[in-house]
Amino acid sequence: DTEVTQTPKHLVMGMTNKKSLKCEQHMGHRAMYWYKQKAKKPPELMFVYSYEKLSINESVPSRFSPECPNSSLLNLHLHALQPEDSALYLCASSRKDMGLSYEQYFGPGTRLTVT
Amino acid sequence: DAKTTQPPSMDCAEGRAANLPCNHSTISGNEYVYWYRQIHSQGPQYIIHGLKNNETNEMASLIITEDRKSSTLILPHATLRDTAVYYCIVRGFGNEKLTFGTGTRLTIIP
Repeated sequence: DTEVTQTPKHLVMGMTNKKSLKCEQHMGHRAMYWYKQKAKKPPELMFVYSYEKLSINESVPSRFSPECPNSSLLNLHLHALQPEDSALYLCASSRKDMGLSYEQYFGPGTRLTVT
Repeated sequence: DAKTTQPPSMDCAEGRAANLPCNHSTISGNEYVYWYRQIHSQGPQYIIHGLKNNETNEMASLIITEDRKSSTLILPHATLRDTAVYYCIVRGFGNEKLTFGTGTRLTIIP
């Protein structure tokens, strides 16, 4: 099983809503990632979790709150978002061995629209 | 991680080999060259990576020049399903960060 799943596929939310994006993998990977991709732009790294601990936060605004409840699950909690936060949110995972990260496998993404 | 330069777009006839170039003149000795592609509205897909030797897998071949300042990804028999944006990324081995450039939009022509 080399699949990373993400739910929901699409999400429309108002600026006062609270919602969560979910990502799951069963490949035994111990590194998980959130990326944001605006239209016609490359993906940009937001967060990295390594062995269930946050290891990288790319200066992401606090209205995005990541959570890694176990080694298979990664959540991204959203609160008080702005219309400019509308984007494709991608989750990825990779094997870690001796502390080194290997190639990343991506999910299909959640397309978020903030109204 | 070193910066990469790729042509913004390329066309290739279906059934022919697609050769995608990438320049990475500032690559350092412990940095690998990775290739990913992103088909429209899907997540990026890992293709191949290499350090200095040529590499081949079921998807593609990677040719790295002897001075490691450039590389070419080869899709041997391109199909319409290979139409995608192809990203060349230089990354220190084991580095958690993957920094995408603007990539090459490859269009396979029937």
